[in-house]
Amino acid sequence: EAGVTQSPTHLIKTRGQQATLRCSPISGHTSVYWYQQALGLGLQFLLWYDEGEERNRGNFPPRFSGRQFPNYSSELNVNALELEDSALYLCASSLGLASGDEPQHFGDGTRLSIL
Amino acid sequence: GESVGLHLPTLSVQEGDNSIINCAYSNSASDYFIWYKQESGKGPQFIIDIRSNMDKRQGQRVTVLLNKTVKHLSLQIAATQPGDSAVYFCAEISPSGSARQLTFGSGTQLTVLP
Repeated sequence: EAGVTQSPTHLIKTRGQQATLRCSPISGHTSVYWYQQALGLGLQFLLWYDEGEERNRGNFPPRFSGRQFPNYSSELNVNALELEDSALYLCASSLGLASGDEPQHFGDGTRLSIL
Repeated sequence: GESVGLHLPTLSVQEGDNSIINCAYSNSASDYFIWYKQESGKGPQFIIDIRSNMDKRQGQRVTVLLNKTVKHLSLQIAATQPGDSAVYFCAEISPSGSARQLTFGSGTQLTVLP
C-alpha cells in the first residue's frame, strides 16, 4: 500500500513569491492535514481538510491556504513568501471524520527554502 | 494554549538496553495520544497510540504507558537497536473530536551507542 506522497521534495523561492505544495493521501483516507516544521522545532498544525472542506485551521496568517480535491489529494498554497516560511511542510492523512480518532500517517515532506 | 512537552531533549542508550522516553501533557481532558518516530530527512512515522481509557498498550518491542493522574506519557523501547536512533515525538488530540489537530511536543533525540 502506497503511503502519503508529497511533491516537490524541495522547493526554492524568493521573498514575495507564491508556493504550491501537493499531497496525495493513503488510498481510502479522506482527511488530509498540513503541518509546518521549522528547523529544530516541533510540528505546528496548519490546516485540516475532510471530504473537500476545511475543518480546522491553525494559528497561521491567511496567506497560508489550501484545498482538497474530489480525489482527496490536497494543495497547500503560501502567498507573499517570507524568510520565516522556510521549513519542512508535512502532509498527513487519516480515515475520515466519521471514523473517530485514528492515527495520522505522514509523508516525507516538502522542504521549502526562501532566499 | 495547551501544550505537550518532553522532559528530556536528548537520550543516549547502549545498544541492547531498554529506552524510556517521557512526555508531559498539560491538557487533562486530552483523550488520545500518539508516539511518532522521525528519522533525518523523513516524515514522522507512527509507532503506537493509546486512548485515555487505557493505561498501557504494547506493540512490537514498544510499550506506551499513560498516567492520567500526573498527566504523563512514556514510550519504552525494549532491546534498543541502532535503527531506533531518531527523534521521538509524543502528540495529543484535544477532547473535541471535531478539532482533530495533533499537538506535538518538541521531541527527544534518541541516540543508540554501539
